[in-house]
Amino acid sequence: GAVVSQHPSRVICKSGTSVKIECRSLDFQATTMFWYRQFPKQSLMLMATSNEGSKATYEQGVEKDKFLINHASLTLSTLTVTSAHPEDSSFYICSARGTRTYTEAFFGQGTRLTVV
Amino acid sequence: AQKITQTQPGMFVQEKEAVTLDCTYDTSDQSYGLFWYKQPSSGEMIFLIYQGSYDEQNATEGRYSLNFQKARKSANLVISASQLGDSAMYFCAMREGRGNTGKLIFGQGTTLQVKP
Repeated sequence: GAVVSQHPSRVICKSGTSVKIECRSLDFQATTMFWYRQFPKQSLMLMATSNEGSKATYEQGVEKDKFLINHASLTLSTLTVTSAHPEDSSFYICSARGTRTYTEAFFGQGTRLTVV
Repeated sequence: AQKITQTQPGMFVQEKEAVTLDCTYDTSDQSYGLFWYKQPSSGEMIFLIYQGSYDEQNATEGRYSLNFQKARKSANLVISASQLGDSAMYFCAMREGRGNTGKLIFGQGTTLQVKP
């Protein structure tokens, strides 16, 4: 099956700093990428949808300036958490969908962010 | 309104027995897709099975089968011959609309524990 690689898997950062998370599709062209946030033992909450070469579409309640999403190529999307605060600590996971008719979206391994 | 509902926060099953995880959904679309994912403690999302709204037969993938009852808007996952490695959180998800462009909406999840 298709592979989506997410990096880093874990990151600890200080309050006020920014953190960048990468999501790469390794063997297919991802025309659409999705970014989710998940709190412990809860469901995945969609944060934004990004299409290659265009601006991301954010879900209601998600701060665009806080969570910057870039989808500059068909194999890479990045999520930058700007001026991170402890409440941003969470599990972030991306998924990617390609041009072929995949019935499932492929997920990255996820990134556990801890802001101290 | 909740579009995907999983009413069982936690389930136990004896090893080698079958277990059914419930999922109901709400949509006015005629075309939609239903998914089940497994999320072990490592956090990765593992695709298990897919059912399209126009598929007349229930989907099966190895030990996984999807009991699709369209009139009741339910898409329960049946795991046969449970194994210890099946212990994880399970999510039901729906994608509305035709094609491969829609976003996935996830249910609250069910934590399954398989007892030896």
